[in-house]
Amino acid sequence: KNEVEQSPQNLTAQEGEFITINCSYSVGISALHWLQQHPGGGIVSLFMLSSGKKKHGRLIATINIQEKHSSLHITASHPRDSAVYICAVNPGSNYKLTFGKGTLLTVNP
Amino acid sequence: DTEVTQTPKHLVMGMTNKKSLKCEQHMGHRAMYWYKQKAKKPPELMFVYSYEKLSINESVPSRFSPECPNSSLLNLHLHALQPEDSALYLCASSQGTGRYNEQFFGPGTRLTVL
Repeated sequence: KNEVEQSPQNLTAQEGEFITINCSYSVGISALHWLQQHPGGGIVSLFMLSSGKKKHGRLIATINIQEKHSSLHITASHPRDSAVYICAVNPGSNYKLTFGKGTLLTVNP
Repeated sequence: DTEVTQTPKHLVMGMTNKKSLKCEQHMGHRAMYWYKQKAKKPPELMFVYSYEKLSINESVPSRFSPECPNSSLLNLHLHALQPEDSALYLCASSQGTGRYNEQFFGPGTRLTVL
């Protein structure tokens, strides 16, 4: 069974700070997803990674397959970045996602 | 169009009511999913449709009945629900069900069962 651990569980930052959220998983995967969910809202897919690094605007996601670890970075954080960030993985050939418990990010002005 | 839409946004129903949730996508995706999400918990997969056929039912009670009338549309019919079924119901779609398929989620329907 694949376990997905995220850290930290909660993160408070000041506007403009650099943010890092970490995700570790226990077994081999085919892809890792970073998702964003605003309070009471639906889920937005930010990245799908199987290797290396991806960048979209102020968001950067990296994955190290050997270490079974991924990070999501937010540069120049803004209050609108306040949300729950969820890491999810596709174990092996399975399309079914295993979700982490999420990281609640609060960015204060 | 890279959007998954869901209607209604909010639904309040009694335990004897019959209602339906609707999900639509026009991205040409051939896989569609229903998830249930309780507060402060990750989503739980309920059903998967692949090429308009039900391919996965995660042991969901029969009071939830999915339907895929065509490749763009996914419904979830609700009947005789319990208060513990109150949750956010999310629909998602992906190109296929292979391992490198990114899932696109809708905004969800917030369901309250009285």
